[in-house]
Amino acid sequence: ELKVEQNPLFLSMQEGKNYTIYCNYSTTSDRLYWYRQDPGKSLESLFVLLSNGAVKQEGRLMASLDTKARLSTLHITAAVHDLSATYFCAVDGTMEYGNKLVFGAGTILRVKS
Amino acid sequence: NAGVTQTPKFRVLKTGQSMTLLCAQDMNHEYMYWYRQDPGMGLRLIHYSVGEGTTAKGEVPDGYNVSRLKKQNFLLGLESAAPSQTSVYFCASTGNRVPDTQYFGPGTRLTVL
Repeated sequence: ELKVEQNPLFLSMQEGKNYTIYCNYSTTSDRLYWYRQDPGKSLESLFVLLSNGAVKQEGRLMASLDTKARLSTLHITAAVHDLSATYFCAVDGTMEYGNKLVFGAGTILRVKS
Repeated sequence: NAGVTQTPKFRVLKTGQSMTLLCAQDMNHEYMYWYRQDPGMGLRLIHYSVGEGTTAKGEVPDGYNVSRLKKQNFLLGLESAAPSQTSVYFCASTGNRVPDTQYFGPGTRLTVL
């Protein structure tokens, strides 16, 4: 059974600082997704990582995937208040058709001015 | 395009009552999903569909039924609501190009008293 663990679950950081969120998963997969959720809102797709060594960057966020270590990271550079949200990683549990995602518990990020 | 829409946005039920949540997508996606989100647990897959007329169980299907009579619609039913079904429900869809990110609806907040 695929399990996905994120850490930390809560992160409070100062503006301008760097930090990394980790996403570990228990079984082989080369499809990993990162989502952002603002309070009371829906999930917004951030990154789709589809192969070992994949790296994607958007603004102050950079995501990477190491399928051998079963690990993805979401790195935050020079945090700003607007990045405050909950971040989820999700791993494709792989079914015959379509994709079947297993989500981590989420990391609540608070960026303090 | 409206993307993925859900109705209703909020609902309060009494234990034992029934209701149906409607999800609609206008992106001609084959795959559709129902999730529930509970604090500290990420999203968990209830049921999914890989095409019109098909449905399958996800991680937490008990107490729910689904139907996909039309490609653009995916209905989630609660036959006899229980307080444990108090949650936020999200519908998602994804396209024929696998793998692809999932696109989420705005959510339905359900309270069962």
